[in-house]
Amino acid sequence: GAVVSQHPSRVICKSGTSVKIECRSLDFQATTMFWYRQFPKKSLMLMATSNEGSKATYEQGVEKDKFLINHASLTLSTLTVTSAHPEDSSFYICSASAQRGYTGELFFGEGSRLTVL
Amino acid sequence: AQSVTQLDSHVSVSEGTPVLLRCNYSSSYSPSLFWYVQHPNKGLQLLLKYTSAATLVKGINGFEAEFKKSETSFHLTKPSAHMSDAAEYFCVRPNLDRGSTLGRLYFGRGTQLTVWP
Repeated sequence: GAVVSQHPSRVICKSGTSVKIECRSLDFQATTMFWYRQFPKKSLMLMATSNEGSKATYEQGVEKDKFLINHASLTLSTLTVTSAHPEDSSFYICSASAQRGYTGELFFGEGSRLTVL
Repeated sequence: AQSVTQLDSHVSVSEGTPVLLRCNYSSSYSPSLFWYVQHPNKGLQLLLKYTSAATLVKGINGFEAEFKKSETSFHLTKPSAHMSDAAEYFCVRPNLDRGSTLGRLYFGRGTQLTVWP
């Protein structure tokens, strides 16, 4: 099946610094990728929809200046957590769909655990 | 509103006994439905999907689910639980409504499966 790779899997940073998380579709082109945030023992919360070549669409309540999304190519989307604070600590997951033969199924990355000290 | 409802937040079974994870959907039409599994600190892996073909869907690792329109259900079952099945399970419905962004998903709240030796 299609593979989505996320990097880094774990990152620890100091408060006030910025952290970039990459999401790559390895064997298919993804014009749209999605970024989720998952709190402990909770379901996934959609943060934003990343569109190749255009601005991301953010969900209500998600700060676009805090969570910068760039979808520079058909296989790469990045999420940058700017000026990170401890409350930004969370598990971030990306997903992508293979457009050809689309049936609604998404392929998920392995997730990135962010810890802000 | 169109959504999915997972009826149990936690299910505990003994190894070797059957597993039943319940999911009901609300929709004005027969939707596509998926079950994903998430192991600790990992992304989501597709277990199986229903896309209006056979109502009994077989997935990976011995799991299967039956789409029952009369009951608006898509319960996940496995005849005999294994220790490695302990994980979080999500019932998911893609939003395929006209005009919606391709790839948006409705997530159930998740069911934590514990398998006792």
